[in-house]
Amino acid sequence: GQQVQQSPASLVLQEGENAELQCNFSSTATQLQWFYQSPGGSLVSLLSNPSGTKHTGRLTSTTVTKERRSSLHISSSQTTDSGTYLCAIDGTNTGKLTFGDGTVLTVKP
Amino acid sequence: NSKVIQTPRYLVKGQGQKAKMRCIPEKGHPVVFWYQQNKNNEFKFLINFQNQEVLQQIDMTEKRFSAECPSNSPCSLEIQSSEAGDSALYLCASSPGQNSDYTFGSGTRLLVI
Repeated sequence: GQQVQQSPASLVLQEGENAELQCNFSSTATQLQWFYQSPGGSLVSLLSNPSGTKHTGRLTSTTVTKERRSSLHISSSQTTDSGTYLCAIDGTNTGKLTFGDGTVLTVKP
Repeated sequence: NSKVIQTPRYLVKGQGQKAKMRCIPEKGHPVVFWYQQNKNNEFKFLINFQNQEVLQQIDMTEKRFSAECPSNSPCSLEIQSSEAGDSALYLCASSPGQNSDYTFGSGTRLLVI
């Protein structure tokens, strides 16, 4: 079945540093979303980016469809960015999302 | 604050008891999904609806869960007889269409003791 691999598994930064998160997937994705999950469990959609480059605020996502990979760049990290970042794709065109294991980001003051 | 409302936030049940959780999808979103996130943070798709109709569900959901999305009422997911392995975060998501972006709720964290 569809596989989604995220790297790194965890990342520790000092406030102000930039973060680069990676997502690789095993088959063509008709839909790709990056989510932020708070320690309490709430899932917040950050960006939807099945192809190309998208920006919102301090976030930039670049997806190279042919190479089956996506990245999420967080610039000037803040302590409030700490949490788990999840990449999820729909590879079957059914709307069902397959999630990666996530990257746990810790930003220290 | 999420536009998908899930209740209750926490639920504690004994083994064998029913466990029911509810979800109000974002207004105008006819597609609703339920996912289970276990203690290893792995996501499992459970069931999805378009309007009131079930589109897909896994075997476990068909056998042990009761789920519905009635018109003008919250969607619900109910475990008929809770097991320890059902302890997890249950996440509801809604979408304008099957290939559109999802909005997730804050989840219901179920503990079966």
